[in-house]
Amino acid sequence: SYVLTQPPSVSVAPGQTARITCGGNNIGSESVHWYQQKPGQAPVLVVYDDSDRPSGIPERFSGSNSGNTATLTISRVEAGDEADYYCQVWDSSSDHPYVFGTGTKVTVL
Amino acid sequence: QVQLVESGGGLVKPGGSLRLSCAASGFTFSDYYMSWIRQAPGKGLEWISYISVSGSTIYYADSVKGRFTISRDNAKNSLYVQMNTLRAEDTAIYYCARAPLNSLYYFDYWGQGTLVTVSS
Repeated sequence: SYVLTQPPSVSVAPGQTARITCGGNNIGSESVHWYQQKPGQAPVLVVYDDSDRPSGIPERFSGSNSGNTATLTISRVEAGDEADYYCQVWDSSSDHPYVFGTGTKVTVL
Repeated sequence: QVQLVESGGGLVKPGGSLRLSCAASGFTFSDYYMSWIRQAPGKGLEWISYISVSGSTIYYADSVKGRFTISRDNAKNSLYVQMNTLRAEDTAIYYCARAPLNSLYYFDYWGQGTLVTVSS
């Protein structure tokens, strides 16, 4: 089955840029979706289809996807962005189609 | 507004059963694919099952296949999962989630989750 690998943690100072990677075999040919999960809360969709944002999600959240790596970029990081972030793809070749990445804890210093 | 509210979690002994429910409101439930996703304590997200709008297409993760049964009642705007032969490793928060109308491929709304603890 398809495997998505994320770094366990990313640290960033307020106002700086955080980049969270999601690695997978030829992931650039897939659509990648990203979720933010704050402690004790349900996940929230922040980017879908590689780079689109749901309504209400700040423009500071952006996504890209090419080759074997997809990236979620958080610009002008705020304390409220501290959370776990998960990438996800739909594996059309599998009957277990929803695949989540391993998750990345973003810490705002 | 869209709301998904899970219920039915609790403490159950290994080998026991539990039925979770997810009450949907704020949208036309019968138009949407739905899934159950779980998260073990301190761990990542694991998709476990999804069901099509009519219930005719159902998939399960290998970890729950043969033990869990997903279902829905569109008249009651509700999603269910019957969990049998529960194991300690089934301990998790269970979320119901909706796939958007124009795409099966991700989840645009999640419930707050219900905690299932399997322990003797």
